[in-house]
Amino acid sequence: QKEVEQDPGPLSVPEGAIVSLNCTYSNSAFQYFMWYRQYSRKGPELLMYTYSSGNKEDGRFTAQVDKSSKYISLFIRDSQPSDSATYLCAVPNQAGTALIFGKGTTLSVSS
Amino acid sequence: DTGVSQNPRHKITKRGQNVTFRCDPISEHNRLYWYRQTLGQGPEFLTYFQNEAQLEKSRLLSDRFSAERPKGSFSTLEIQRTEQGDSAMYLCASGPASRETQYFGPGTRLLVL
Repeated sequence: QKEVEQDPGPLSVPEGAIVSLNCTYSNSAFQYFMWYRQYSRKGPELLMYTYSSGNKEDGRFTAQVDKSSKYISLFIRDSQPSDSATYLCAVPNQAGTALIFGKGTTLSVSS
Repeated sequence: DTGVSQNPRHKITKRGQNVTFRCDPISEHNRLYWYRQTLGQGPEFLTYFQNEAQLEKSRLLSDRFSAERPKGSFSTLEIQRTEQGDSAMYLCASGPASRETQYFGPGTRLLVL
């Protein structure tokens, strides 16, 4: 089992839709969880960073962590065409020396 | 722009040639990372520096790869005797000492013919 699993999609939604992106992880020792957004041919951009279980909100984005089921989610409200990108979930390894990434979910928002 | 910068942005080389990439991290960050990303995959960790010390290397980092960070500032990643399988996006990231967050540069896209 891979340490971080993410459905690659692609996911296509109309503008204004609520988007749910999800990852599962295998190691219950992971404590920090991150979401990155990557536009085509660009480097990943840090979007959200959470430490504990529960929700963290930043504008139209909400990150949710459920440590009991080892499940992390990113919700995007009122999705815009500019949200079209690949979304990567990531966790730091236990030593804190590297990030372990999922494969990324490609999202397309049509106007 | 005070973000992470990488040069060159694109590199095309022939198999067997050596290539070198440069990364300039965010100035106050003492942690620096190199990753490799292939199409349809998330970034995969290659190596980690804290200041000038290389503290961790992935099994992906074969002996043809070498990374340096002299004086704890910029870093270089060299690939010797390139192979077609080395074709990928090479990403550099930096982070502050106190947090696990990492900030990525735009990447160097390598194509080995």
